[in-house]
Amino acid sequence: SQTIHQWPATLVQPVGSPLSLECTVEGTSNPNLYWYRQAAGRGLQLLFYSVGIGQISSEVPQNLSASRPQDRQFILSSKKLLLSDSGFYLCTWGDSYEQYFGPGTRLTVT
Amino acid sequence: DQQVKQNSPSLSVQEGRISILNCDYTNSMFDYFLWYKKYPAEGPTFLISISSIKDKNEDGRFTVFLNKSAKHLSLHIVPSQPGDSAVYFCAAGGSGGYQKVTFGTGTKLQVIP
Repeated sequence: SQTIHQWPATLVQPVGSPLSLECTVEGTSNPNLYWYRQAAGRGLQLLFYSVGIGQISSEVPQNLSASRPQDRQFILSSKKLLLSDSGFYLCTWGDSYEQYFGPGTRLTVT
Repeated sequence: DQQVKQNSPSLSVQEGRISILNCDYTNSMFDYFLWYKKYPAEGPTFLISISSIKDKNEDGRFTVFLNKSAKHLSLHIVPSQPGDSAVYFCAAGGSGGYQKVTFGTGTKLQVIP
């Protein structure tokens, strides 16, 4: 069966600091991978998706970036965090239209 | 532009009664619709789906109805149970090589014992 790992589970970072969130998937190969963010009082916003190694598509302009260095690894990064980057970050992989979610990372920018 | 909308941010229902969660969409290219359930501090889990060729799909206590002409779908939970208390997200997918899914803003359901 497929498993998604995300870490860290929670993170508190000051404004202007860098960010690196990692996601790995087990039990599948060449998955479509996605990063979502759920901000307070808002739905799930698609940030990035990837259909293969090195292939990243961005959905919204922001100070975040994503990379896919390996088939089952997806990394979300920022050089300088903003207060508005606070939220719950979810990594998913997609099979047909279904999305299988990881446990999420709660990021608080102070 | 919010292509998938859940206009009710919250809903309270008595245990044993029916819960009806609504969702509207604007993109006529969507051809697959899903509902996800999310508990606090956890990732959403898939609940039920429906393709655009159907108007109803049932799975146990959960039934999803699709009205394509109105671009509206709804999730019915009968009977509602306290464990159903969670945030429910409606999602829609359209034809596209990357199988992109667009989520609504969510409805928080509270089932009162």
